[in-house]
Amino acid sequence: DSGVTQTPKHLITATGQRVTLRCSPRSGDLSVYWYQQSLDQGLQFLIQYYNGEERAKGNILERFSAQQFPDLHSELNLSSLELGDSALYFCASSGPTGYRETQYFGPGTRLLVL
Amino acid sequence: QQPVQSPQAVILREGEDAVINCSSSKALYSVHWYRQKHGEAPVFLMILLKGGEQKGHDKISASFNEKKQQSSLYLTASQLSYSGTYFCGTEREGTSYGKLTFGQGTILTVHP
Repeated sequence: DSGVTQTPKHLITATGQRVTLRCSPRSGDLSVYWYQQSLDQGLQFLIQYYNGEERAKGNILERFSAQQFPDLHSELNLSSLELGDSALYFCASSGPTGYRETQYFGPGTRLLVL
Repeated sequence: QQPVQSPQAVILREGEDAVINCSSSKALYSVHWYRQKHGEAPVFLMILLKGGEQKGHDKISASFNEKKQQSSLYLTASQLSYSGTYFCGTEREGTSYGKLTFGQGTILTVHP
């Protein structure tokens, strides 16, 4: 158990819908990262937040957005869902600096878009 | 740009050793190694920092050649539990620190 929690575990939804994925980092960690894992694209970095502020962005689609709240939990919002958005979405967290640190991954949310 | 891992797959018998390589064309700040079992989260194994510091598990070792921007993960006396997909994640200098770019993975299978 990494100490990072993610909800829900599974999500099944239809194209065009909007979903919210939630992540709680390990106690004391200030950074939260979101990754997408699909069969054809591998493990892809989406976005990083550090202490409430966006710090780094990957190839995140405009239909996707995220935020980190004052209690440091984070949410990833996916809208206008397409079949290709079906994937495993992982959240990871790391400690006080947000770089050159171990990133601990949560159990993931499996999203299926029908 | 994605780091390149080799080999793509390895099959071992229990007790045998394996080496997995990770190579980047860009200057790196750190290299992170993870193991992932099917459908589960990546599990941290090792982090190697530019400048020589390493943190990781007792039974797994790794090296980071800063001149060549290459890292190798050494798995000795393999156990059945070592089976899974191994990923290296690289943190590049001069880009957004903290962002990891992962290789395509190396599938390791250990047989009894």
